[in-house]
Amino acid sequence: KNEVEQSPQNLTAQEGEFITINCSYSVGISALHWLQQHPGGGIVSLFMLSSGKKKHGRLIATINIQEKHSSLHITASHPRDSAVYICAVALGEKLTFGTGTRLTIIP
Amino acid sequence: DAGVTQSPTHLIKTRGQQVTLRCSPISGHKSVSWYQQVLGQGPQFIFQYYEKEERGRGNFPDRFSARQFPNYSSELNVNALLLGDSALYLCASSLNQGFLLTYEQYFGPGTRLTVT
Repeated sequence: KNEVEQSPQNLTAQEGEFITINCSYSVGISALHWLQQHPGGGIVSLFMLSSGKKKHGRLIATINIQEKHSSLHITASHPRDSAVYICAVALGEKLTFGTGTRLTIIP
Repeated sequence: DAGVTQSPTHLIKTRGQQVTLRCSPISGHKSVSWYQQVLGQGPQFIFQYYEKEERGRGNFPDRFSARQFPNYSSELNVNALLLGDSALYLCASSLNQGFLLTYEQYFGPGTRLTVT
């Protein structure tokens, strides 16, 4: 079993829909990162969480340490949100990544 | 302020050759991590360097090595290249005060290595 599981693997939605991407992990962590990767490879850090909830624009990230679960929400989705979203957990000195969720927003 | 930079952006090598990839962190960042991302998969941790010392190593063979210089820039070296080493190699830096990755990671654009 992978240490970091993301769901769904692929998600296609209409513009304007509310999007939820889930991340579950199986070990104790010091922090959890949500990352966005566009075609071509560039990775942008969206959030770093160790507890609670963070919001940036239309993006919201939550984490439940007891349940070892985090969610990334996108409100009022837009085609420019189309990308791969990756959850990564900080285990000491290294990051362990999920396999990513490929999000496609259709106009 | 410049972000994380990596060079070269693309590289084609032949099996058995050696390659050196370079990374310059954001000014003030002392932690540099290296990741390998094979097409269609999530990144895999290779190394973390903090204050010029190796602080963590992923499950990669000894053909992979790295170092960090006094200016906190870093090099990743891969010897005896295999076809399976073809991947996007990503470098990330952070303001970590220690080796625990509890600060935001800033990624470079990556070096795409093709081994033929």
